[in-house]
Amino acid sequence: EVQLVESGGGLVQPGGSLRLSCAASGFTFSSYWMNWVRQAPGKGLEWVANIKQDGSEKYYVDSVKGRFTISRDNAKNSLYLQMNSLRAEDTAVYYCCSGLYYFDYWGQGTLVTVSS
Amino acid sequence: EIVLTQSPGTLSLSPGERATLSCRASQSVSSSYLAWYQQKPGQPPRLLIYGASSRATGIPDRFSGSGSGTDFTLTISRLEPEDFAVYYCQQYGSSPPITFGQGTRLEIK
Repeated sequence: EVQLVESGGGLVQPGGSLRLSCAASGFTFSSYWMNWVRQAPGKGLEWVANIKQDGSEKYYVDSVKGRFTISRDNAKNSLYLQMNSLRAEDTAVYYCCSGLYYFDYWGQGTLVTVSS
Repeated sequence: EIVLTQSPGTLSLSPGERATLSCRASQSVSSSYLAWYQQKPGQPPRLLIYGASSRATGIPDRFSGSGSGTDFTLTISRLEPEDFAVYYCQQYGSSPPITFGQGTRLEIK
C-alpha cells in the first residue's frame, strides 16, 4: 500500500523557519518526481515546488522562491521542504504528492500556521 | 503563467442527475497535461482524470473527461451521494510548471 506521511508542521512566528518531512513507502520513491502542494484554510490548491528523481532539477512557485528549498533523500525514501522567512500567507496545510504531469499519490498533509 | 478558470463556482444538483464542470485555460494546454481531482472535507485531493480523458485507477466509469486546447470538461453521468465534493482541474506547463483551477463545489440540491 502506498503511503505518504508528512510531519514537521506547527505554529511559527513570522520570519521563522520550519522543516517539513514526507516519508514514503509502498512504491519506488526514487523513480518519481515529488511535489509539495499547499492549501490555505478554506481556499484552493496551490502547487509549491517539485524535484526530479535524482534531485538535479527543482522548481518553485514565484511566491516562495528564495525562501523555500525542496530536497530529497532516496536512501531514506524521504522528501523535505525547508521553509525560511515565513509569512502569514504561508499558513496552509502542506501536502506531499508524487508525479510530474499529474499527482497520483497524496499524503494527509501537515498544518503550518504562521502567526505571532 | 497559465491561469485555469473553473465554472460554475458552485453547482447544485440532486443525486441521479448529470454534472458538467468546466475548466478554461488562458493559453492552450496539451491534453496530456490536464488532470482533474476530487476533494472531500478533511481529506487530500484524489486523482480522477489524467491526460484530459483517462480515468485513474479505481475511478468509476460515471466520471469522464473531455476537451482540448483551452476548454476542458469533467462530466459525472449520474450523481451518487458520495460525489458531492470540490473538484479541481490542474495543468502542467512551462512557467510556473503547475497550476490549479480555483475549484467547483458540487453540492446537494
